[in-house]
Amino acid sequence: QMQLQESGPGLVKPSETLSLNCTVSGGSISSYHWSWIRQPPGKGLEWIGHISYSGGTNYHPSLKSRVTISIDTSKNQVSLKLTSVTAADTAVYYCARHYAPQYSWFDPWGQGTLVTFSS
Amino acid sequence: DIQMTQSPSSLSASVGDRVTITCRASQTIIKYLNWYQQRPGQAPKFLIYGASSLQSGVPSRFSGSGSGTDFTLTISSLQPEDFATYYCQQSFSFPLTFGGGTRVEIK
Repeated sequence: QMQLQESGPGLVKPSETLSLNCTVSGGSISSYHWSWIRQPPGKGLEWIGHISYSGGTNYHPSLKSRVTISIDTSKNQVSLKLTSVTAADTAVYYCARHYAPQYSWFDPWGQGTLVTFSS
Repeated sequence: DIQMTQSPSSLSASVGDRVTITCRASQTIIKYLNWYQQRPGQAPKFLIYGASSLQSGVPSRFSGSGSGTDFTLTISSLQPEDFATYYCQQSFSFPLTFGGGTRVEIK
């Protein structure tokens, strides 16, 4: 059974770069696509971006200039970097497998990691 | 971007009630529509893909329907564990987008 676990600093200073990792167990990272999704406290879900098993990426237009998603097959990890962060980036950040046989969907998800900002 | 609009934003219901949630896309997405359930403090759980296909292990009281721009999620007989927030999500085109969510509360 595939499991995902996000990790990274829970506190980031404004204007710095947020870096998160998602470690995948129970499956090879190079066989699937992966997405990052975030959820501000008390609000809905926002898709951040996607990386395919071949390394191709798609990002949300509103974040495209600040986001980089990459994979490290040696560690079976998917990484997210978000630059120039502000308080508006406060959210729970989830990684999820983006499964795409015909239709596509997110399953499974990691438990999420809360990132907040402090001056 | 394809905008996804859910209604209602919240509802109150009793155990055993039939509940219907609506999701509307700003343009046709054919049947590229997924549903997720999120309980408080938990990650979303995948329920339905392709508008009407139930993910393995999801109880049969959940069903989905629709195509084009209008979709529904129905819970035929609400159970205590179904009190949660439900999100639709389109997978037709990037950027992938979610509806704003429908919170199902205990009456």
